[in-house]
Amino acid sequence: QQPVQSPQAVILREGEDAVINCSSSKALYSVHWYRQKHGEAPVFLMILLKGGEQKGHDKISASFNEKKQQSSLYLTASQLSYSGTYFCGTDPGPSSNTGKLIFGQGTTLQVKP
Amino acid sequence: EAGVAQSPRYKIIEKRQSVAFWCNPISGHATLYWYQQILGQGPKLLIQFQNNGVVDDSQLPKDRFSAERLKGVDSTLKIQPAKLEDSAVYLCASSFQGAGYTFGSGTRLTVV
Repeated sequence: QQPVQSPQAVILREGEDAVINCSSSKALYSVHWYRQKHGEAPVFLMILLKGGEQKGHDKISASFNEKKQQSSLYLTASQLSYSGTYFCGTDPGPSSNTGKLIFGQGTTLQVKP
Repeated sequence: EAGVAQSPRYKIIEKRQSVAFWCNPISGHATLYWYQQILGQGPKLLIQFQNNGVVDDSQLPKDRFSAERLKGVDSTLKIQPAKLEDSAVYLCASSFQGAGYTFGSGTRLTVV
């Protein structure tokens, strides 16, 4: 079952914050987040395992609420380089890592000067 | 560390022709994936290998698509015969023990 991402698209000014959500109708073992720039391959940002953890590096962080079967990606003080399409990928598990990811439809983020 | 290598970068073929894509994963990555990404959509898993064995090929249209990973290193994905709806970017990815994927640059296939 493909996870649902929201919003589909967002436009920001440099320095503004954004939140991208990823929801699944099935229990999840883990959630991955990737960023893809136009014409390039997706690039891994972070992985969150079930247990409700939060992670972050630099000004990008994420949370995973396994009870709600959803994850959120937080981008703070956005920079021009944050522009691209963000995908969540969910591993259905249920009890261990299958390594197989089902990707959402993507959220396009555009950061303007 | 070298990344995931894929070739060719672009391919244009006529419908009903055959085509093959090649992928060399990061050294030491036992798990290799082929994904299909249609324009404007998220990647869709076609097949997952663990070393040279198939873990999941439930989404692979086996009447026209085939894939192999001989010796557990590089892999080939073939389409025969191609249909117009196969036009997409074919992404190869590898991972190590459940960590994040490293994707290759992909092969953009256009079927005319």
